[in-house]
Amino acid sequence: DIQMTQSPSTLSASVGDRVTITCRASQTINNWLAWYQQKPGKAPKLLIYKASSLESGVPSRFSGSGSGTEFTLTISSLQPDDFATYYCQQYSSYSRSFGQGTKLEIK
Amino acid sequence: QITLKESGPTLVKPTQTLTLTCTFSGFSLSTSGVGVGWTRQPPGKALEWLALIYWDDDKRYSPSLKSRLTITKDTSKNQVVLIMTNMDPVDTATYYCAHKAGHGNFDYWGQGALVTVSS
Repeated sequence: DIQMTQSPSTLSASVGDRVTITCRASQTINNWLAWYQQKPGKAPKLLIYKASSLESGVPSRFSGSGSGTEFTLTISSLQPDDFATYYCQQYSSYSRSFGQGTKLEIK
Repeated sequence: QITLKESGPTLVKPTQTLTLTCTFSGFSLSTSGVGVGWTRQPPGKALEWLALIYWDDDKRYSPSLKSRLTITKDTSKNQVVLIMTNMDPVDTATYYCAHKAGHGNFDYWGQGALVTVSS
């Protein structure tokens, strides 16, 4: 079973900041990694798939990188709508698993 | 336009079996590459992937819950059913179904269904 570990668990930042969230896999997953954004009371929203491919309709300030076991999600200039919880998810194995989430808060 | 909606009981008793139905529109589960998955989220906690069924009836389960889960599809009704046995209060969560896109990820989600396990 592949474990996904995100850091940090909580991140405080201001509008306009550049922020990075890290996700590590317990074994190599090549680039089979996705990032989701979730707001309270809402379903997750797919942002990035295959580590760095931007889902249609997602703003270009979101970007993903990495391969193997270490991945990052970067938001180049935070907007008020970006304060939410972010999850990584691997889909390399026959099963899938999420990270524990990173809550992005307003500083 | 792809939409999905979860339905089922809002309250189940410990040891009972939960049956949830995902009714969808805008795609066919007989189309190559398509899948529907289930994910849950306990209140205030992280997402947990549960199960996935593919167009060809291939099925995948969370290793930690595999013994308790069954996923099936009814292509003619555009429905996917998730069965979870031996429910426990720790299974209290919002249960989501989602469409698996060709690139492998869940691009459309239902609104979620809160299931509470309590006697």
